Amino acid sequence: DVKVTQSSRYLVKRTGEKVFLECVQDMDHENMFWYRQDPGLGLRLIYFSYDVKMKEKGDIPEGYSVSREKKERFSLILESASTNQTSMYLCASSLWLAGDGEQYFGPGTRLTVT
Amino acid sequence: DQQVKQNSPSLSVQEGRISILNCDYTNSMFDYFLWYKKYPAEGPTFLISISSIKDKNEDGRFTVFLNKSAKHLSLHIVPSQPGDSAVYFCAASLTGNQFYFGTGTSLTVIP
Repeated sequence: DVKVTQSSRYLVKRTGEKVFLECVQDMDHENMFWYRQDPGLGLRLIYFSYDVKMKEKGDIPEGYSVSREKKERFSLILESASTNQTSMYLCASSLWLAGDGEQYFGPGTRLTVT
Repeated sequence: DQQVKQNSPSLSVQEGRISILNCDYTNSMFDYFLWYKKYPAEGPTFLISISSIKDKNEDGRFTVFLNKSAKHLSLHIVPSQPGDSAVYFCAASLTGNQFYFGTGTSLTVIP
C-alpha cells in the first residue's frame, strides 16, 4: 500500500512566521503535489514536482515555495504566513504524470494562522 | 474561475438505491476525468477514472459516464451502501500535469 504521510495534522502559527509543511511518500513515486482545500473552492494545486530538485507552479503558487531534495520528501514553505493561508493542506504523490495517473493523498494538515 | 464544478454540495440516498453525482467542466481540452472519495480526517482516495475518448467506464458498483458535448460527467453508485457516505470530488486532467478539482459533493447513504 502506498503511504503518504504529513508531518502534522494540526498546526497553529502566527502571522509573519515561516512555516514548513513536510510530506513523505514510501512508494518511490516520481511526482509529488501540494494542494490546499478550502470550502466552496475544492482542491487547488499550489506546486508539483516531477523529479528531485524540479518543481512547477500550480494554480496558486503566490506566497508559497517548495523544496524537493530527496525523491521521497516534498516540503511546502510559507515564507511569511498570513491569515489568508489558513487552510487544509494536502500532499499527494503519483507514479506517472499521465492524466489517469491516480494520486495518493496524505491525511492533510489543518493550518491556522492567527 | 472554477473549471470543474459540482453544483450539488450534498446528496442523501436510501441504502440500496442509486446515487448519482454530477460534475460539469468548461475546458474541452481535458483529457482525463477522475473521481475521488474522501472520508473525514483522511486524504482523498482514487475511485475511478475515464479517458476523454470514452463515454463510459465501469468498476463494480461504480460507473462514470462522460457526455463531451454537454461537458458533463456523472458517477453512478449502484446499489448504494452506508459505507459510501463520504465527500466525492470530481477532477479533470490537462496533459497530466495539471489537475483541477471540483468543490465536492457530500453523499449520505441512509440505512
